Amino acid sequence: DAGITQSPRHKVTETGTPVTLRCHQTENHRYMYWYRQDPGHGLRLIHYSYGVKDTDKGEVSDGYSVSRSKTEDFLLTLESATSSQTSVYFCAIKTGASDSPLHFGNGTRLTVT
Amino acid sequence: GNSVTQMEGPVTLSEEAFLTINCTYTATGYPSLFWYVQYPGEGLQLLLKATKADDKGSNKGFEATYRKETTSFHLEKGSVQVSDSAVYFCALRSGSARQLTFGSGTQLTVLP
Repeated sequence: DAGITQSPRHKVTETGTPVTLRCHQTENHRYMYWYRQDPGHGLRLIHYSYGVKDTDKGEVSDGYSVSRSKTEDFLLTLESATSSQTSVYFCAIKTGASDSPLHFGNGTRLTVT
Repeated sequence: GNSVTQMEGPVTLSEEAFLTINCTYTATGYPSLFWYVQYPGEGLQLLLKATKADDKGSNKGFEATYRKETTSFHLEKGSVQVSDSAVYFCALRSGSARQLTFGSGTQLTVLP
């Protein structure tokens, strides 16, 4: 168990409202990631972080921002949620060396109505 | 750019049947290859990996061989069980990339 907690696990929100999802890790790993999972698309990278205040965009970053002010927390914010952002969001961390796998949280199911 | 193509599902098999899930990739350099499994309501878990050509990854009766000549990493299991029902994702990490590129996933259902 890599000690990853995502919150909330489920959220329903209205179009145009801001939403923040939280990923918390207990082991001080440097690399953290946000992916979204959609049918037919697998997992697509939104943003990732390689240290406190160091973040970079993934392939589907439009409409999302992230922050990492502490090693253990990586926040994903939808500034103004849209229906196309209805998805399951997964946080992941990379432990160890360059070939080490990702470890995933249990996901946040977000519905934008 | 990097990409992973998986066979489309869903795949439905009877218990003890042979399983193959095809995965091919496009990548620069020499990628590391992974299979992840996702059980209902959970995040993805690493199933197996291979980091260089001709390596075979194996775990829980599943195997996959890194074939550079065919750019493939097909997942196989000789005798599936009901408990293997899940979604399976093929993924790659290329060179110095810090992130994984995933395929679209294959839903497997095993019937008793």
